[in-house]
Amino acid sequence: NAGVTQTPKFQVLKTGQSMTLQCAQDMNHNSMYWYRQDPGMGLRLIYYSASEGTTDKGEVPNGYNVSRLNKREFSLRLESAAPSQTSVYFCASSEQAPGELFFGEGSRLTVL
Amino acid sequence: DQQVKQNSPSLSVQEGRISILNCDYTNSMFDYFLWYKKYPAEGPTFLISISSIKDKNEDGRFTVFLNKSAKHLSLHIVPSQPGDSAVYFCAASATGNQFYFGTGTSLTVIP
Repeated sequence: NAGVTQTPKFQVLKTGQSMTLQCAQDMNHNSMYWYRQDPGMGLRLIYYSASEGTTDKGEVPNGYNVSRLNKREFSLRLESAAPSQTSVYFCASSEQAPGELFFGEGSRLTVL
Repeated sequence: DQQVKQNSPSLSVQEGRISILNCDYTNSMFDYFLWYKKYPAEGPTFLISISSIKDKNEDGRFTVFLNKSAKHLSLHIVPSQPGDSAVYFCAASATGNQFYFGTGTSLTVIP
């Protein structure tokens, strides 16, 4: 049982480049989330999707877009990467809200 | 402004003793709380939760206490084991979907 799978695990970008982080869950969960973790800041919610076809902004949505492609997949896109977006990104899912969040292993992004 | 605070960045405890990790929050609307453990280069893993209708929840060696009037929760680990050495995050939610996380406490259990 894979749980929550994120790709890629590591990525280096130049300022202004774009990229998409992919996330898939195999637990048939309704809700999916994207968080970023920065030193001294804990995890902060970027966007979430309470159900297939819906997305909502979290704490720090600026500079990001998301797509809930289907119930399994939730992608995070950086259209024009900035050094401030250097971070570790975590995807998570939950069966219901509120409820336990299941996290992926993380994607480390560096923007030069 | 940080709505969930973990004021102790680190904690060291002897194996077999009790570990107490603390968490304070500012938003009185928070009604559901989670604790997570995180090892380096891994995603956070769920430990225990509590809703505001309770003041205590136990799961094996882990107990979470909630003091709503003080806006404070704590995680007790008894007995502490070396494998418990990790970073611990508390998280709180008012809406169910938007969880606010603390900055984490790094626990070291000394054999």
